[in-house]
Amino acid sequence: DGGITQSPKYLFRKEGQNVTLSCEQNLNHDAMYWYRQDPGQGLRLIYYSQIVNDFQKGDIAEGYSVSREKKESFPLTVTSAQKNPTAFYLCASSAGPPDTQYFGPGTRLTVL
Amino acid sequence: SQQGEEDPQALSIQEGENATMNCSYKTSINNLQWYRQNSGRGLVHLILIRSNEREKHSGRLRVTLDTSKKSSSLLITASRAADTASYFCATDNRAGNMLTFGGGTRLMVKP
Repeated sequence: DGGITQSPKYLFRKEGQNVTLSCEQNLNHDAMYWYRQDPGQGLRLIYYSQIVNDFQKGDIAEGYSVSREKKESFPLTVTSAQKNPTAFYLCASSAGPPDTQYFGPGTRLTVL
Repeated sequence: SQQGEEDPQALSIQEGENATMNCSYKTSINNLQWYRQNSGRGLVHLILIRSNEREKHSGRLRVTLDTSKKSSSLLITASRAADTASYFCATDNRAGNMLTFGGGTRLMVKP
């Protein structure tokens, strides 16, 4: 069953804590992406990776970090430096930019 | 700033009617894509149209692209209640290594 998975579905964080969102794909895609979506808004690109061990900042990378040690995995860490992290986070993958992107179900992060 | 801007922001129609959403963008593109998002879910790819194409069909969907006006439209014919969702256009940048999404059109189809 091929696809892209994200976990957890809901995540609660206390202020000052770092949290890591998981994104895994078994589509054998080279490129992976992280987006942030605020209520009623479109998607904004946080980070993207076109190949293992390489990643690039998107439009709103401040306060976030990523790693790409394996082709299948692209975890996103929301650090305490991110002042307004409450949002819906979407991970996507593609065979290569700018092809069709396949999205995971998302993680809703709430800061308490 | 967003590359693509959808219009209208919200659209409410009756089942069976056609729904038209528009997308305008600012810079040259290689291709334009349309995605659908059900509430609280991930996005699903609907259709991709390349810059050298003018029109594309997929089932009840019809997409047009006018590169001279830097605009695209998505037409959903004979809408169904299940078409209720947000629809986003996405354009690639000049390097072709990332997509920029618009703010979306929220479509409600009333049964």
